[in-house]
Amino acid sequence: GQNIDQPTEMTATEGAIVQINCTYQTSGFNGLFWYQQHAGEAPTFLSYNVLDGLEEKGRFSSFLSRSKGYSYLLLKELQMKDSASYLCAVTGGSGNTGKLIFGQGTTLQVKP
Amino acid sequence: DAGITQSPRHKVTETGTPVTLRCHQTENHRYMYWYRQDPGHGLRLIHYSYGVKDTDKGEVSDGYSVSRSKTEDFLLTLESATSSQTSVYFCAISEAGQGSGSEQFFGPGTRLTVL
Repeated sequence: GQNIDQPTEMTATEGAIVQINCTYQTSGFNGLFWYQQHAGEAPTFLSYNVLDGLEEKGRFSSFLSRSKGYSYLLLKELQMKDSASYLCAVTGGSGNTGKLIFGQGTTLQVKP
Repeated sequence: DAGITQSPRHKVTETGTPVTLRCHQTENHRYMYWYRQDPGHGLRLIHYSYGVKDTDKGEVSDGYSVSRSKTEDFLLTLESATSSQTSVYFCAISEAGQGSGSEQFFGPGTRLTVL
């Protein structure tokens, strides 16, 4: 079966660091995406991890452990505009039969 | 931003009526997708297309059909709308298939209400 788990909601303070976790169990795994979605808007790409380890991109970093079926998104120096939902999505398979499965998303509220 | 538009952006309809949503892209991407997004469920794939006239079912395809007669257009039809199809519908495009690391670009969404 396919299962992706993320916390439903998180709250953090402006200027702080927050870690959003994602665990997955899927049949076949190629890589893991993180998308950001502001309320009422479309999801936008943040990162894609294939190999184990941490990838840093400005204030955002994403970590993957394939053996543990675990990823996290790390947001540093939080800003009010980071209030959004963060979607974890796992890819598997290949070609036209490949799959992309989304988790339910984590809604992050950044407070002053 | 990727050139992807959806129409209409908002629609209210009655149970039992047919509804067609349109997705239009200017990026010449091969793959196109229709998702629905509901609270507590995240994004769920309805149908996708891997080329002109080439489509396949996704996770929640019952009650929906699609057509792709041109590279740039992907239509989603609710054959007889039901209240359970009230949702926000997103179209997405990508250069390579879902199993690849190809980023999906999403349209602005269509909010559909079925009364």
